[in-house]
Amino acid sequence: DIQMTQSPSTLSASVGDRVTITCRASQSISRWLAWYQQKPGKAPNLLVYKASSLESGVPSRFSGSGSGTDFTLTISSLQPDDLGTYYCQQYNSYPWTFGQGTKVEFK
Amino acid sequence: EVQLVESGGGLVQPGGSLRLSCVAAGFTVSNNYMSWVRQAPGKGLEWVSVIYSGGSTYYAHSVTGRFTVSRDNVRNTLYLQMNSLRAEDTAVYYCARNVDGGSYPDYFDLWGQGTLVTVSS
Repeated sequence: DIQMTQSPSTLSASVGDRVTITCRASQSISRWLAWYQQKPGKAPNLLVYKASSLESGVPSRFSGSGSGTDFTLTISSLQPDDLGTYYCQQYNSYPWTFGQGTKVEFK
Repeated sequence: EVQLVESGGGLVQPGGSLRLSCVAAGFTVSNNYMSWVRQAPGKGLEWVSVIYSGGSTYYAHSVTGRFTVSRDNVRNTLYLQMNSLRAEDTAVYYCARNVDGGSYPDYFDLWGQGTLVTVSS
């Protein structure tokens, strides 16, 4: 199985900060990676697919990059609505696996 | 409106069974790849199963042999039959639609609100 490791597990930042979350796969997944945001008590919401393609309707302050085993999600200017937990997910091969999540908090 | 609505969760004893339902609106379940994903309380996301438009199914190792995914094309509904339930199956269960990647399903672009399954005596 492909293991997905995110860092950090928790991130404290201020409104307006540039935030970067990293996701590492235990083997190459090409660009078959998605990022989701989950707010407390809600279902996950798709942000980025195929490593760097922004889902329709997602603010442009979100961006994704990477290929192979190393990926990043960047929020260029953190906004109050960005509070939540972020997950990466590989869909290169079964079983599909998620990172353990990165919780974004405000200082 | 395009949406997924799950139901069927509840409290069940270890070793028991439960069937979850997921009704789709605004699109046809049988024309799409559809999945179940679960989240234990306070934990991360875990993919459970997928059913292809052609009927093929795949499962996570942890549920293989115990869970079965199926669909009813008339009711436009996805199901998850869960047998031999264990305490570690306690979670919110989400149904989700996969984007069609051609011959293989891609990422999840639509999620339901989830239904809570609690396995406890």
